[in-house]
Amino acid sequence: EAGVVQSPRYKIIEKKQPVAFWCNPISGHNTLYWYLQNLGQGPELLIRYENEEAVDDSQLPKDRFSAERLKGVDSTLKIQPAELGDSAVYLCASSAAGTPSDTQYFGPGTRLTVL
Amino acid sequence: KQEVTQIPAALSVPEGENLVLNCSFTDSAIYNLQWFRQDPGKGLTSLLLIQSSQREQTSGRLNASLDKSSGRSTLYIAASQPGDSATYLCAVRVAGGYNKLIFGAGTRLAVHP
Repeated sequence: EAGVVQSPRYKIIEKKQPVAFWCNPISGHNTLYWYLQNLGQGPELLIRYENEEAVDDSQLPKDRFSAERLKGVDSTLKIQPAELGDSAVYLCASSAAGTPSDTQYFGPGTRLTVL
Repeated sequence: KQEVTQIPAALSVPEGENLVLNCSFTDSAIYNLQWFRQDPGKGLTSLLLIQSSQREQTSGRLNASLDKSSGRSTLYIAASQPGDSATYLCAVRVAGGYNKLIFGAGTRLAVHP
């Protein structure tokens, strides 16, 4: 079974440029998460989707960040414009609905460098 | 606000040693606690999950304990191997927030031959 797929794996951009990250969750997983991981820190949740609905986006900086999950499958996270402080790893995870202990499965992440 | 702290931040040991990684959390109202492993350039892999009603979980050379009342968990690694070198992250699932995980900053482990 394929895991969570993310692309690109690495991205280098100039500040003020836009950037987008793509995530394809495990087949059948209706819950999708985007996390931000700064160097030397643990991941922090940015947004969580249940199917195509964003049910927790309280940590998403909405002035420059946006996300979408059309058709409730794959998802795109966008930053426009990017700032130097956005340099980090962006992780996507997915889980199946059901029990409270349903496990989140993480993708390899996209490492963003803003110059 | 739930905060998760991991000690030590980094650890370097010779192969064969038994290790203890520590995790503490400020709010005991949790559903469960998970230990993850993260290899450089890769995502997180779940190692052990302990429900709030449980005291410990074991998988191979790994054993994790949970003392919810004191807000502490330990991950015990027996007979460490170079392949165990990675960052180990502790995460608690907060009560009332469906599957919302709060992570610690991790312990970076290096096991040398």
